[in-house]
Amino acid sequence: GENVEQHPSTLSVQEGDSAVIKCTYSDSASNYFPWYKQELGKRPQLIIDIRSNVGEKKDQRIAVTLNKTAKHFSLHITETQPEDSAVYFCAASKNNAGNMLTFGGGTRLMVKP
Amino acid sequence: EAGVVQSPRYKIIEKKQPVAFWCNPISGHNTLYWYLQNLGQGPELLIRYENEEAVDDSQLPKDRFSAERLKGVDSTLKIQPAELGDSAVYLCASSSIGSGGGEQFFGPGTRLTVL
Repeated sequence: GENVEQHPSTLSVQEGDSAVIKCTYSDSASNYFPWYKQELGKRPQLIIDIRSNVGEKKDQRIAVTLNKTAKHFSLHITETQPEDSAVYFCAASKNNAGNMLTFGGGTRLMVKP
Repeated sequence: EAGVVQSPRYKIIEKKQPVAFWCNPISGHNTLYWYLQNLGQGPELLIRYENEEAVDDSQLPKDRFSAERLKGVDSTLKIQPAELGDSAVYLCASSSIGSGGGEQFFGPGTRLTVL
């Protein structure tokens, strides 16, 4: 089955700096890659996703890049703010419906004011 | 629009006792998921329903876990008997292909503590 590795497990940055979280996946058939944000004690929420027919997608301060050949994808957050502090999970799915998700282990991002 | 609803939010039981969790998905969502989330880890799929049918239950420990989704709407997940290692957050999520595909909407979860 699919295996998703996520690094780093914790990341501390100064407010205003950029943060990068990286994930690798094992199944070359995976074609949908969402990122979820989970604040302390709250539910995971989708923040951005990318499909295998594109290499990059941006939404304001967040962007995701995908390298299908290397089987890795990354989340980039620019101009970080304290409210970006949360646990971020990457995931991979083998179908466009996104209903076969395998999640990474999570990255705890701490943005220091 | 109401989100995914789960109850109870917290449950503390002694080992070997039974426990049940309930989930009400977003109206119109045909796909429902139950995930287990251990502390500091990502969600792990237990079972996925398409309408009333369980289409992926390969990770569900069937000796003690069971689930049902009657009428293709609400779902319950049961553990009987519970073990110490079952302490975790149980998340329910739902999605709809009609929404463009992909996004799973999660409930707040049920935090289970087995003593």
